[in-house]
Amino acid sequence: AQSVAQPEDQVNVAEGNPLTVKCTYSVSGNPYLFWYVQYPNRGLQFLLKYITGDNLVKGSYGFEAEFNKSQTSFHLKKPSALVSDSALYFCAANYNAGNNRKLIWGLGTSLAVNP
Amino acid sequence: NAGVTQTPKFRVLKTGQSMTLLCAQDMNHEYMYWYRQDPGMGLRLIHYSVGEGTTAKGEVPDGYNVSRLKKQNFLLGLESAAPSQTSVYFCASSYPTGTGGAKFTDTQYFGPGTRLTVL
Repeated sequence: AQSVAQPEDQVNVAEGNPLTVKCTYSVSGNPYLFWYVQYPNRGLQFLLKYITGDNLVKGSYGFEAEFNKSQTSFHLKKPSALVSDSALYFCAANYNAGNNRKLIWGLGTSLAVNP
Repeated sequence: NAGVTQTPKFRVLKTGQSMTLLCAQDMNHEYMYWYRQDPGMGLRLIHYSVGEGTTAKGEVPDGYNVSRLKKQNFLLGLESAAPSQTSVYFCASSYPTGTGGAKFTDTQYFGPGTRLTVL
């Protein structure tokens, strides 16, 4: 079965420290991979996506993600966390489903950045 | 430029009541989506539309109907609400970068959500 896993429900990091939010996927074909962020009581906002090419993708708000095909991972990273980065982060994978493509979402990881 | 807006923001229904959620976007996007978000379940696609006058079922369509009479609006209806439909509902839209129907490869732009409680 196709799946996207975010193995950590919650990640805690001190302000100024690097952060990583993990995502692994198990989907057929060559997926497109996405990261979205959801701030409290808000809708999701696009951060970045990987289609092809350079394995390191840079996105909004200083975030970047590294695509690793052999480990089927797409971890989200930021060199220096801000308190304002505290939010819910979703990974998603777009994959081939017969004649169509589908999008499957992870369950989300809550990031808490402590001052 | 308001982006994607949703009406209402909150609603409480009794079992069996009906209601319509309205989604509007001013970005001239072709594709629109309705999702529900539940704790431990993530985002699940209810219905989607690839253009005015067209709709298609998503992952969890039962108990919902949709209409896309105008390009900028996508309505989600609950004919007879059930407690299992208590959820946060998100609308999204996207501009297709490819051809041949919904590929879900495009960046989606989300509304702020509607929190629905069915008693």
